[in-house]
Amino acid sequence: SQQGEEDPQALSIQEGENATMNCSYKTSINNLQWYRQNSGRGLVHLILIRSNEREKHSGRLRVTLDTSKKSSSLLITASRAADTASYFCATETGGSYIPTFGRGTSLIVHP
Amino acid sequence: SAVISQKPSRDICQRGTSLTIQCQVDSQVTMMFWYRQQPGQSLTLIATANQGSEATYESGFVIDKFPISRPNLTFSTLTVSNMSPEDSSIYLCSVTGLGTEAFFGQGTRLTVV
Repeated sequence: SQQGEEDPQALSIQEGENATMNCSYKTSINNLQWYRQNSGRGLVHLILIRSNEREKHSGRLRVTLDTSKKSSSLLITASRAADTASYFCATETGGSYIPTFGRGTSLIVHP
Repeated sequence: SAVISQKPSRDICQRGTSLTIQCQVDSQVTMMFWYRQQPGQSLTLIATANQGSEATYESGFVIDKFPISRPNLTFSTLTVSNMSPEDSSIYLCSVTGLGTEAFFGQGTRLTVV
């Protein structure tokens, strides 16, 4: 079963707007990762945030982690049409180094 | 980081046949995985490919259907055997460090007709 569940399942915005995706999980984690997938191709890693971190930035991406609520959010600022993709969160738990993926959020950015 | 070459990128196969997918990594890695992604769905782990020993399969996946080889630390194959239309999916190989990000091949889009 999926550990992470993304919300919303689909998001449609205009270029220049911000996009926020959320991920909730059920058990304690070692880290949480966000990935991007274009058109059913391979996944590309975006950001890894460890359980003792609360926020990380990478360019236009901002990830937050709230371990008390077992949730994370991915914010893409000033979105571009090229950001159109599916975004997945993945969690690593316990002694396993195998990430478990959520269902993903499909983002469409209209030019 | 790791660069993964996966092939074929796509194939259309007749039911009842088998397809072998190859995954080549540009560096030696300990942990290599195979995932399936059914249309519109998330990634489901099929198995962990172990070098020098049998793969470790997840619940719902068996060796007879998805035989895996891992002859060395840079290469692995996944075979989808006796295919049916339900096997139509994207198959992805992945490697990961310990507690770091995972890297993926470009995926194999399989259509079974």
